[in-house]
Amino acid sequence: SYELTQPPSMSVSPGQTASITCSGDKLGDKYACWYQQKPGQSPVLVIYQDNKRPSGIPERFSGSNSGNTATLTISGTQAMDEADYYCQAWDSSTVVFGGGTKLTVL
Amino acid sequence: EVQLLESGGGLVQPGGSLRLSCAASGFTFSSYAMSWVRQAPGKGLEWVSVISGSGGSTYYADSVKGRFTISRDSSKNTLYLQMNSLRAEDTAVYYCAKGGNSGYDYIDYWGQGTLVIVSS
Repeated sequence: SYELTQPPSMSVSPGQTASITCSGDKLGDKYACWYQQKPGQSPVLVIYQDNKRPSGIPERFSGSNSGNTATLTISGTQAMDEADYYCQAWDSSTVVFGGGTKLTVL
Repeated sequence: EVQLLESGGGLVQPGGSLRLSCAASGFTFSSYAMSWVRQAPGKGLEWVSVISGSGGSTYYADSVKGRFTISRDSSKNTLYLQMNSLRAEDTAVYYCAKGGNSGYDYIDYWGQGTLVIVSS
């Protein structure tokens, strides 16, 4: 079965850039998306189809996908961006989630 | 405004059954794929199942195949998940989720979730 791998955690200083990676075999041949989940809340879509931002998502969120790696980039990270982030792709009639990355802003 | 309201969660014994419902509003229900995604306490997101807008296509995670059944009623704008032969490892918050414009490759709205606890 297809797998997506994310780093379990990472930290970033306020105002700096956070880059969260998601790795999978030939992931660049598929669409990747990203969700943000804060404690006690439902996930929120922040990037879809590799690099598109839904309405209402700040411009500091961007995405890319090439080769075996998709990347979520948060520019000028703010304290409110502290959350769990999950990548996701569709493969062989299944939805696949990465294990999630806990982003700490400190 | 898209709204997804799950119901039907609760405490059930191992081997028991439960049916989850998700009342949808704010969009043309029959035009979009719908999914169930679960999250065990303190764990990550796990996809459970997806159904096409027409209801003609359904897909399941291996962990629930043969035990869970997804369905939809467009006359009631409601999504269902029939869960049979429940196990302790099925304990989780179950989210109802709406597919995006392109089918199955992303979810653009999530419900608040309903908690299912499988325990004796």
